[in-house]
Amino acid sequence: GAVVSQHPSWVICKSGTSVKIECRSLDFQATTMFWYRQFPKQSLMLMATSNEGSKATYEQGVEKDKFLINHASLTLSTLTVTSAHPEDSSFYICSAWTGENQPQHFGDGTRLSIL
Amino acid sequence: AQTVTQSQPEMSVQEAETVTLSCTYDTSENNYYLFWYKQPPSRQMILVIRQEAYKQQNATENRFSVNFQKAAKSFSLKISDSQLGDTAMYFCAFANQAGTALIFGKGTTLSVSS
Repeated sequence: GAVVSQHPSWVICKSGTSVKIECRSLDFQATTMFWYRQFPKQSLMLMATSNEGSKATYEQGVEKDKFLINHASLTLSTLTVTSAHPEDSSFYICSAWTGENQPQHFGDGTRLSIL
Repeated sequence: AQTVTQSQPEMSVQEAETVTLSCTYDTSENNYYLFWYKQPPSRQMILVIRQEAYKQQNATENRFSVNFQKAAKSFSLKISDSQLGDTAMYFCAFANQAGTALIFGKGTTLSVSS
């Protein structure tokens, strides 16, 4: 089946640092990848849509200069949280779409804790 | 804009019993996709069941089935013979076409007890 690998699964870092999260489709090419954010006991909220070779489309209220998304290949999208602060602490999860009439496949998520 | 509403924040059921989780949505589209996802404490997102709006037949996956009422914009999930492993948060989700972002409801926390 389609597998999406997300790395790291958990990261703790100091305020002011930048953190990169990778989302890889292991056995398929992903035309589109999505990045979601989930606060504890809440729902998933779409942050941005990432298409290979083009700029990501950000949802209203998401700072594109703070959450940098790069989709350099059909199997890899990265989310970089720049100058992270405690309020950026959250669970970040990606999904990838294989194309045609198929559902999205989710990575296992990244728990980000900013001290 | 499309919206998804789950009106039951928490539900509980005993093993072997049947439980139904409610979901309503709002859209002006005629064709779209509806999903139920399970999120256990590990926080993985697991696709439970998927329904395409143009298909009148309700989707079924083993113990999981849906009651899709297109006119009423209702998409409930029935879990039969509940098991302890069904304990999780369940999200109803909408996509207006394949390959577009999912819009999630707020979720229902289901607890299955022995």
